[in-house]
Amino acid sequence: DAGVIQSPRHEVTEMGQEVTLRCKPISGHNSLFWYRQTMMRGLELLIYFNNNVPIDDSGMPEDRFSAKMPNASFSTLKIQPSEPRDSAVYFCASSLTQAGNQPQHFGDGTRLSIL
Amino acid sequence: AQSVTQPDIHITVSEGASLELRCNYSYGATPYLFWYVQSPGQGLQLLLKYFSGDTLVQGIKGFEAEFKRSQSSFNLRKPSVHWSDAAEYFCAVGSGTYKYIFGTGTRLKVLA
Repeated sequence: DAGVIQSPRHEVTEMGQEVTLRCKPISGHNSLFWYRQTMMRGLELLIYFNNNVPIDDSGMPEDRFSAKMPNASFSTLKIQPSEPRDSAVYFCASSLTQAGNQPQHFGDGTRLSIL
Repeated sequence: AQSVTQPDIHITVSEGASLELRCNYSYGATPYLFWYVQSPGQGLQLLLKYFSGDTLVQGIKGFEAEFKRSQSSFNLRKPSVHWSDAAEYFCAVGSGTYKYIFGTGTRLKVLA
């Protein structure tokens, strides 16, 4: 079975540019998560969707960040305008349901560098 | 409040030696506990999980973990480490909802 698919794997762009990260969750999973991983802060939950609806966006750093899930098989995380401090690895994860005992399955991440 | 502590930031073991990675949690009820492994340049892969029942759980790649309620611990073990086990390991606690609390990770180095 295909796992969580993220694209691009690497993104290097200049400060001020718009960045769009993409995620395809595992088919049949109704919960989707966006995380950010940095050395300083570890893994941070940015936003959580259930059945394509954003449920918890309290981790989104600021208005420059936005996320959408137009259907069950696709989600985007957008940063506009990007800043050097946004450099990190961004992970998408999905789980079968929102229950706390459901394992989250992670994609391989997008390594983002903002120059 | 929930929390997860992985006391060891780095651990170095020789290939073939046994391994134990520590994880302590704070949670009011019986938690859902997970161990993940992250190899360089990759995402987190689930090694094993504990929800209830037998406190010794088996996972993939020869790993096991033991839930000890009295010590609020969920330590990960492997009897004989292989060079390919070099990676970062994360313990996580799930509550009754979607949120996980991740530990800060333990980076494992394996000496040939």
